[in-house]
Amino acid sequence: EIQMTQSPSSLSASVGDSVTFTCRASQSIGIYLNWYQQKPGKAPNLLIYIASHLQSGVPSRFSGSGSGTDFTLTINNLQPEDFATYYCQQTYTIPWTFGQGTKVQIK
Amino acid sequence: EVQLVETGGGLVQPGGSLGLSCAASGFTVSAYDMSWVRQAPGKGLEWVSVIYAGATTNYRDSVKGRFIISRDHSKNTLFLQMNSVRAEDTAVYYCARASRGCMGSGGCLGLWGQGTQVSVSS
Repeated sequence: EIQMTQSPSSLSASVGDSVTFTCRASQSIGIYLNWYQQKPGKAPNLLIYIASHLQSGVPSRFSGSGSGTDFTLTINNLQPEDFATYYCQQTYTIPWTFGQGTKVQIK
Repeated sequence: EVQLVETGGGLVQPGGSLGLSCAASGFTVSAYDMSWVRQAPGKGLEWVSVIYAGATTNYRDSVKGRFIISRDHSKNTLFLQMNSVRAEDTAVYYCARASRGCMGSGGCLGLWGQGTQVSVSS
């Protein structure tokens, strides 16, 4: 099973900031990496698929990059609605696995 | 409206069975790769099972032989039959639809239901 490790586990930021967090796979996964946002009590929402493709309807302040084992999600000009938990997911091989999440909190 | 609605969650005793349903509207379930994903209380996301458009299925090891994923084209519904449940199966269970353009993996989950709570306890 491929292990996905996200860092940091949490971070504090202010509205208008740019934040970047990372996801590392325990083995190469090519570009089979997705990012989700989840708010408390809600289902996850797909933001980025195949490492860098923006899901339809997702604001352009979200961007993803990386390949192999190291990936990043960047949020520019952080908005109040962006405070949430973010999960990466590999779909290179079954079982698809998620990282443990990065919680973005208001500073 | 394109949406997924899960039902069937509840309290079940260890060793018991429970069936979850996920009714789809606005699209045809059998035309997409469909997954179940769960989230234990206060924990992260865990993929459980997938049924591909071609009807092939896959499971995570911890549920293999206990859970069965299926679909009914006439009802446009996805199912998860949970047998021999354990305390560690306690979670919110989400059904999710894969997005197109996922380079064939079927795991880019672009549409989710609201989730249904399953609690395993005596």
